[in-house]
Amino acid sequence: GESVGLHLPTLSVQEGDNSIINCAYSNSASDYFIWYKQESGKGPQFIIDIRSNMDKRQGQRVTVLLNKTVKHLSLQIAATQPGDSAVYFCAENRGLRGSYIPTFGRGTSLIVHP
Amino acid sequence: NAGVTQTPKFQVLKTGQSMTLQCAQDMNHEYMSWYRQDPGMGLRLIHYSVGAGITDQGEVPNGYNVSRSTTEDFPLRLLSAAPSQTSVYFCATRGYQETQYFGPGTRLLVL
Repeated sequence: GESVGLHLPTLSVQEGDNSIINCAYSNSASDYFIWYKQESGKGPQFIIDIRSNMDKRQGQRVTVLLNKTVKHLSLQIAATQPGDSAVYFCAENRGLRGSYIPTFGRGTSLIVHP
Repeated sequence: NAGVTQTPKFQVLKTGQSMTLQCAQDMNHEYMSWYRQDPGMGLRLIHYSVGAGITDQGEVPNGYNVSRSTTEDFPLRLLSAAPSQTSVYFCATRGYQETQYFGPGTRLLVL
């Protein structure tokens, strides 16, 4: 079936390094993708999004890359900080019955070592 | 502006009991949804609503009911709790932009 998934369940980095979190999606009709950050005990929080007519979008210390050819999405975090430690989810909007409710992948846990 | 609020924060139920998880938003968003999150898994959609009076099923609707009588509130009802419903439940809203805003979650333990 259609799914959104992540390649790595856990990513450990040193403070100051750049982090790259990957995501694969299988529905070629998806036209909108979102990255969320979830800190322990909290709900997911929007980080950055990208539409399918773009291949790159930058925010503050974060960049999302979209490769529609291989149906791959990545989140790059520059100069990773301890406060970036969290679980990161990618989600795709499939237009569920016209309502654009996103479908989430399983998440990658990012651990930042001081 | 409280955003999305959920009550209770924690709940312990016995198998067979019923309860209602509350979700309220003050952003005047049309779209509201309920997700459950289990360890090592992403969020799975239970039910959603595109406006007052309109609800629809998500991926895992069995054992749950919803209603949407107002724009602000979207309660989730467990009809007869089962241990398999032990989870963390998140309510989310979305306006005309596609960004969803999540509540803080309700942790439910069914014994």
